[in-house]
Order: sequence, then structure tokens, then C-alpha cells
Amino acid sequence: NAGVTQTPKFQVLKTGQSMTLQCAQDMNHEYMSWYRQDPGMGLRLIHYSVGAGITDQGEVPNGYNVSRSTTEDFPLRLLSAAPSQTSVYFCASSYIDTGYNEQFFGPGTRLTVL
Amino acid sequence: GIQVEQSPPDLILQEGANSTLRCNFSDSVNNLQWFHQNPWGQLINLFYIPSGTKQNGRLSATTVATERYSLLYISSSQTTDSGVYFCAVLGFNTGNQFYFGTGTSLTVIP
Repeated sequence: NAGVTQTPKFQVLKTGQSMTLQCAQDMNHEYMSWYRQDPGMGLRLIHYSVGAGITDQGEVPNGYNVSRSTTEDFPLRLLSAAPSQTSVYFCASSYIDTGYNEQFFGPGTRLTVL
Repeated sequence: GIQVEQSPPDLILQEGANSTLRCNFSDSVNNLQWFHQNPWGQLINLFYIPSGTKQNGRLSATTVATERYSLLYISSSQTTDSGVYFCAVLGFNTGNQFYFGTGTSLTVIP
């Protein structure tokens, strides 16, 4: 199992550019999510999904879009990048069953917006 | 949402020392995890522990769900233990949103 994979590892954008951060998991997890981590802070939830075709907003959703067309993939789109979106982005997945819902994280994408 | 507070925010230890990290949370939870973020930024799962006690080598964790706190114990610390330790919770009453604390930054000096 590859677990949770993210691409790219690093990205530099100019203000106003768009891009998609990719996330994939091979554990057949229903739940997938995106977080951002800013210096000195914990992780904050951007968007999450409990299954294909179902997404919802987290704590800091503004400026980001998501979709979930398959169980495996959960891309995060920045439509018009802003310097405030400079951060490290983590994708995570887990089962939803309340009996066991341990989260597993990808390696992260470090994004800089100039 | 759920408030998650971790203490202490920073900790410096001599190699070989023991430490206790604390995580307090403001509501009932059905998932609590401890993570170690290493100096390269990778988040490593330490414990999935919504209640009870678990041990893994030099690390152990206890969650007292009724009193809304969890403790992470590190014994005989090593320099490789350095990094940031995060607690994250999923509440019974907060849908499917996980909440993270702001972490404890641990530095182990040789």
C-alpha cells in the first residue's frame, strides 16, 4: 500500500494563478480531508468528504474548491491564489466507522504564493 | 467546534529524561490521536486512543474521556524524539470535523 500520496511536493505560484493539489489514497477510506498548516499553528481543516460525490466545508474553506468523483482521489483547487494561501497543505484519509476512524496523512505540499 | 489545548507549548529535555504532554478538549470525543511531526514536516501516527491506555516502546498514552484529557508519556527521551507533538480529536457532536491542538514543540538535547 502506498497510503496517502500528494503531488506536487513543492509549488510556487504568482498571485491570481490557479492550480490543483492532488491527493490519492489506496486504503478504500470513505473519509478524506484537506488541512493547511501555518507556522507555529496546528492544522486547520479546509474541506472534507465522507464519500464520492459528497463534500463539506471545514474551518477555513474560503478560496478553495474540492470535488470527490472517486473513492481514491480528492483534489484541492485554488482558483485565484493569494499570498495568504502560502502554507503547507496536508491531505488525510480514514474510515468513517465510529468504531475505528484513525486518520492517516500524506507527506504534504509546500505552497508559496508570491 | 471543539477547543483543543495542549501543554506545555515548548519543552526542552536532556537526552534520557522523561516527559508528559497534555491535551485537554472541550467536548466528548469518539476519536483522539497523537501525532509526531518530525523536523522534515512529516506527520507520524503515534496513538489512536479515544479512551484507555496504550503503550508502544518508550511512548505511552492515556485518555480519560470522562474528564476530557489525554496524556502522552515519553520515557528515556532521544534526540530523534524532537519535533512537534499534536493531539487531534473528532467529536460526537461536531459531525465529521477533526480539530487539532497547536502542539507541543519538543527539543531533546544530547
